[in-house]
Amino acid sequence: DAGVIQSPRHEVTEMGQEVTLRCKPISGHDYLFWYRQTMMRGLELLIYFNNNVPIDDSGMPEDRFSAKMPNASFSTLKIQPSEPRDSAVYFCASSLGSGTVRTEAFFGQGTRLTVV
Amino acid sequence: AQKVTQAQTEISVVEKEDVTLDCVYETRDTTYYLFWYKQPPSGELVFLIRRNSFDEQNEISGRYSWNFQKSTSSFNFTITASQVVDSAVYFCALSFHMDSNYQLIWGAGTKLIIKP
Repeated sequence: DAGVIQSPRHEVTEMGQEVTLRCKPISGHDYLFWYRQTMMRGLELLIYFNNNVPIDDSGMPEDRFSAKMPNASFSTLKIQPSEPRDSAVYFCASSLGSGTVRTEAFFGQGTRLTVV
Repeated sequence: AQKVTQAQTEISVVEKEDVTLDCVYETRDTTYYLFWYKQPPSGELVFLIRRNSFDEQNEISGRYSWNFQKSTSSFNFTITASQVVDSAVYFCALSFHMDSNYQLIWGAGTKLIIKP
C-alpha cells in the first residue's frame, strides 16, 4: 500500500485566495483525520470522519474552513478565504477501527501551507 | 479529564547515552490505547508503538523499549545507546471512546536532541 497520500506537498498562496488540500487514505481504513501543526499550538485535530461521515468538527477554527469526504478514498480540506495565520503544516491521517478496537493512525507527509 | 502530559519539553544528551521520555495520561475509560510517534526534522509523523489498556507487558524493539504502568498511568519510552538519527520530536497519544465517538488526544511532544 502506498500509505496516506496528500497533495500538494507545498502550497504558497496569497491572502484571500481559496486553498484546497487533498488526501487519499489507506484503502480499507474507516477513519480519516485532518490535523494542523504549528510551532505555537502544536498538533491540533481539526475534524475527523468515520465511514465518510464527519463525526467531530469542533476543532475547525472558523467558517472559513470546510472539509468533505465524498467517498472512502478521498477527502478535501478547503480554506476560503485564506489568511496568513492559516500558515501551517496540515496532516491527513487514516486508521482502521471496528467496535472498540482502534489501530494506530497512519499519517501522510503533510502539506506545508504558506499564506502571504 | 482525559489528558496526555509530556512534561519534558526538550532533552539533550550525548550520543550513546540512554534517555527516557516520559508520558503520563489521564482517562476514566477502562479500555483505551496508547501510542508513541516520532517526528524527525523532515516532518513526517512515524508510528512507533501501540499498546492497549489490557496489555501491560513491556515492549522492546532494538534500542527502543516502552514501560507501561497502569498503576502510575505512565507509558514511558527509553532509547538505549542513543544515536544522532534519534533526534526528533516524540509524541505520546491516547485514544478512547467518549459518547460513542472515537477520541485521540496528543501530548505536546518532547524534542530530543542527540549530540555527536
